[in-house]
Amino acid sequence: AQSVSQHNHHVILSEAASLELGCNYSYGGTVNLFWYVQYPGQHLQLLLKYFSGDPLVKGIKGFEAEFIKSKFSFNLRKPSVQWSDTAEYFCAVGLYSSASKIIFGSGTRLSIRP
Amino acid sequence: DGGITQSPKYLFRKEGQNVTLSCEQNLNHDAMYWYRQDPGQGLRLIYYSQIVNDFQKGDIAEGYSVSREKKESFPLTVTSAQKNPTAFYLCASSIVMIDEQFFGPGTRLTVL
Repeated sequence: AQSVSQHNHHVILSEAASLELGCNYSYGGTVNLFWYVQYPGQHLQLLLKYFSGDPLVKGIKGFEAEFIKSKFSFNLRKPSVQWSDTAEYFCAVGLYSSASKIIFGSGTRLSIRP
Repeated sequence: DGGITQSPKYLFRKEGQNVTLSCEQNLNHDAMYWYRQDPGQGLRLIYYSQIVNDFQKGDIAEGYSVSREKKESFPLTVTSAQKNPTAFYLCASSIVMIDEQFFGPGTRLTVL
């Protein structure tokens, strides 16, 4: 069955540390890839997305993600985190098929120590 | 302002009662979705609709029902058959399926 895995459930970093959150999916066909963020008390919102083209995509607030097709991965990165990055991060994969669907990962809670 | 509204923000119901959660969008999107968010489980799809008067079950549709009589509206009814209804419910919409989704603020339902 198709699935999306976010192996890090809770990540704790200090300010200025580098961040990488993992996202892997199991599906051999064409995909759209997304990272969403949910700041405390706010709506879920799009951080960045990949549909085609350059596999390195840049999003809002200095985030970027790289699609590595051979590894079925779409990891999220930020070189230097800030306290305001404290949030929950969700990876999502849109599957192109006869019954197209989007699957969300279980989320990673990011806590930044000031 | 374009967006998605969900009401109410908090909802309390007694066990055994049906309850309907509202979701309205003015983004002119064809696709709409209902998710349930539980701690550590991410977003699980309850129902989705790609067009007016059509909807499909998601991964956890048992105990829920929906309607899509208007493009802008996609209400979710949590029935008494849902065994564990206390949760945070999110509505979303997108231009088409597997495109970027826009989310509402959510409704937190507590069944007492």
